[in-house]
Amino acid sequence: ETGVTQSPTHLIKTRGQQVTLRCSSQSGHNTVSWYQQALGQGPQFIFQYYREEENGRGNFPPRFSGLQFPNYSSELNVNALELDDSALYLCASKIQVAYEQYFGPGTRLTVT
Amino acid sequence: SQQGEEDPQALSIQEGENATMNCSYKTSINNLQWYRQNSGRGLVHLILIRSNEREKHSGRLRVTLDTSKKSSSLLITASRAADTASYFCATDDRDDKIIFGKGTRLHILP
Repeated sequence: ETGVTQSPTHLIKTRGQQVTLRCSSQSGHNTVSWYQQALGQGPQFIFQYYREEENGRGNFPPRFSGLQFPNYSSELNVNALELDDSALYLCASKIQVAYEQYFGPGTRLTVT
Repeated sequence: SQQGEEDPQALSIQEGENATMNCSYKTSINNLQWYRQNSGRGLVHLILIRSNEREKHSGRLRVTLDTSKKSSSLLITASRAADTASYFCATDDRDDKIIFGKGTRLHILP
């Protein structure tokens, strides 16, 4: 197992609600990325944070936002939830100059 | 959009046989990585091959890269039941962000 943890493990929300997912990076890692993985698909890059600043974003609307804290932990916030937001949300941490990422176990979000 | 595309989408083989899966990508890359994902869980990094490398080994894994064809292959030798998982290739885009393919679902039959 990696040192990356995510909470909660599972979450059920209603369409229109807001959700916050949390990620604790592996020790020493200063970069965190978030991915959305729909059933049967590969992970889709949402955004990446380095030193508390967003430094890359995938093709996701502004209602997907994030934060990185001084201890390098991170949050993913999704507003105005839609049914299509139902997915496994993965965070991954790494050292900025490295390519290898270490993934957490994910948060399974179900929107009804 | 997906940068890498794995082939086949699904593969079933007998335990002990070798498994080969392929990845094609569209634009030039700095490196290509392979990850494994057990059912609905986090991804595990398997191996990274740089654009100036042609072949790399790690235990029972062998990865090749052909930049002229924009393709890579992952070979798992002497497969085991524990190898049952989904396998993804991942490439870096112009902004050095990691982009994953849709994956190959590998099933090892006893």
